[in-house]
Amino acid sequence: QSVLTQPPSVSAAPGQKVTISCSGSSSNIGNNYVSWYQQFPGTAPKLLIYDNDKRPSGIPDRFSGSKSGTSATLGITGLQTGDEADYYCATWDSSLSADVFGGGTKLTVL
Amino acid sequence: QVQLQESGPGLVKPSQTLSLTCTVSGDSISRGTYYWSWIRQHPGKGLEWIGYIYYRGNSYSNPSLKSRVIISVDTSKNQFSLKLSSVTAADTALYYCARSTRGYVSGWPSNYYDYWGQGSLVTVSS
Repeated sequence: QSVLTQPPSVSAAPGQKVTISCSGSSSNIGNNYVSWYQQFPGTAPKLLIYDNDKRPSGIPDRFSGSKSGTSATLGITGLQTGDEADYYCATWDSSLSADVFGGGTKLTVL
Repeated sequence: QVQLQESGPGLVKPSQTLSLTCTVSGDSISRGTYYWSWIRQHPGKGLEWIGYIYYRGNSYSNPSLKSRVIISVDTSKNQFSLKLSSVTAADTALYYCARSTRGYVSGWPSNYYDYWGQGSLVTVSS
């Protein structure tokens, strides 16, 4: 059971927008930056968002991140079938003294 | 292009020590810009942070695993390694090495993983 809570799954139609939430507490999201990762089956996670809302070079602006209080959100617009993957949020937890990841959310593009 | 590659035995017996090495290319560990980390993923499950090491050799591990984890670095080979002792079936997982940025941005802690190895599956079984 992760200290960061994500919905197990989300779905939306191609071209639509979807948001994935990541809920935590003051010991993690509330006082630390959040990063987001995309993982396709059989491959390593890929950094999508860092420092809450920054995109690494090469990540399309269809992907966005935000944070408010003890929750963070990943947004994906213009959904494509190629976006079907698992998405994880991550941050530091000062109570656990450890990096923590959310349980992951499986995105289905219907 | 930065690349990380895990290597090590795919099968470890219970109670023995799991040993993995990550070879880094396209970047120099001794440059001191990044931290070098281990993360694992149990089959069909989420990600679990194991620990990280800095080029000087100072390391930090997840308290939940700390007593069993040793992370070391060999800057001459541009490699870092993981040893996990007294393994059980619960340690069966895909083990990733990754490069991480850790620091403070506008006074707030920031850390993220920008390059990952492809992963090394380790099965604990007799």
